Amino acid sequence: DVKVTQSSRYLVKRTGEKVFLECVQDMDHENMFWYRQDPGLGLRLIYFSYDVKMKEKGDIPEGYSVSREKKERFSLILESASTNQTSMYLCASTRTSGSSNTQYFGPGTRLTVL
Amino acid sequence: GQQVMQIPQYQHVQEGEDFTTYCNSSTTLSNIQWYKQRPGGHPVFLIQLVKSGEVKKQKRLTFQFGEAKKNSSLHITATQTTDVGTYFCAGYRKTSYDKVIFGPGTSLSVIP
Repeated sequence: DVKVTQSSRYLVKRTGEKVFLECVQDMDHENMFWYRQDPGLGLRLIYFSYDVKMKEKGDIPEGYSVSREKKERFSLILESASTNQTSMYLCASTRTSGSSNTQYFGPGTRLTVL
Repeated sequence: GQQVMQIPQYQHVQEGEDFTTYCNSSTTLSNIQWYKQRPGGHPVFLIQLVKSGEVKKQKRLTFQFGEAKKNSSLHITATQTTDVGTYFCAGYRKTSYDKVIFGPGTSLSVIP
């Protein structure tokens, strides 16, 4: 079974702090994604990566950056956390495939910025 | 850009009633996926549809992919309390990246 883990289930930070959210997958997937989920807005893609050291902006990259130094690990960085970044953050991974790109999600990190 | 819409946003049903959620894409899709997220949980893959007009069943769940490959539906027969959650569709178009576009989801409540 694919396993995607995230470093924290719950996190509370203060405005202006630098925040790191870590995601690790154990299935050698090439693609990794960071989403945020807010009530009524569904899943919005922040950044994704299709290879080590490669990254692409999603739909809402402002205020975020990412790092992928190793294939299994994809980090989301909030350079200076703000209250409007309070949200549920979900990491996902997929294999690069022409026919199946099922997204495997981690359990999520609920971030509160005070 | 590509958009995926879902209706309804919320649905409350009596246990035993049927439920349907509809998904529409602004562009033709290569495939469509459906996910379920239980309250407090994370989205979990249910199924993928690839062919035009495809119909797949999983017990009481029936999934359809439209002929034009731009819309899809999920129908649950005789809902149970275990069906509670948010159902997302996700559309995939073959581009240079393997990313999907998620719909906003339909939240299903089942009244016992």
